[in-house]
Amino acid sequence: GENVEQHPSTLSVQEGDSAVIKCTYSDSASNYFPWYKQELGKRPQLIIDIRSNVGEKKDQRIAVTLNKTAKHFSLHITETQPEDSAVYFCAASGAGRRALTFGSGTRLQVQP
Amino acid sequence: KAGVTQTPRYLIKTRGQQVTLSCSPISGHRSVSWYQQTPGQGLQFLFEYFSETQRNKGNFPGRFSGRQFSNSRSEMNVSTLELGDSALYLCASSGTTGQGSGYTFGSGTRLTVV
Repeated sequence: GENVEQHPSTLSVQEGDSAVIKCTYSDSASNYFPWYKQELGKRPQLIIDIRSNVGEKKDQRIAVTLNKTAKHFSLHITETQPEDSAVYFCAASGAGRRALTFGSGTRLQVQP
Repeated sequence: KAGVTQTPRYLIKTRGQQVTLSCSPISGHRSVSWYQQTPGQGLQFLFEYFSETQRNKGNFPGRFSGRQFSNSRSEMNVSTLELGDSALYLCASSGTTGQGSGYTFGSGTRLTVV
């Protein structure tokens, strides 16, 4: 089955700096890669996603890049703000497998 | 548009008991998945239902079961509860168009087994 590894497990940045979270996946058939943000005590919320026919996608301060050959994808947050502090999860799913396989999560802390 | 609704929000059960959790997906969504979230294991996939059929199952013992009704509402049941079953159980629904559509999660049911 699919295996998704996520790094780092914790990340602390100063407000205004950029943050990068990286994930690798094992199943070359995976074709959908969402990122979820989970604030303390709340549900995971989809913040951005990318499909395998696209190499990069941006939404304001958030971007995701995908390298299918290397089987890794990354989340980039620019101009970080304290409200970006949360746990971020990457995930992957693929043909015939609608269920998402999640990475272990990254706790991002943005210091004011 | 109402979101994904999970009931109850909190549950306290004793070892050996059984429990049933409920999930109502977003209107029109026919796919419902269940995940277990614990601090140590992260988000672990339990099972997925689509149009009343179980499509995928995660690596959990047979004590964990589920079903989906014709109105797409889903229930999951855990029998013979163990202390290690204490977790946040999240339900997610997705639309019917294509695979890998973004899941919307409910707020979860926090189960504590004592």
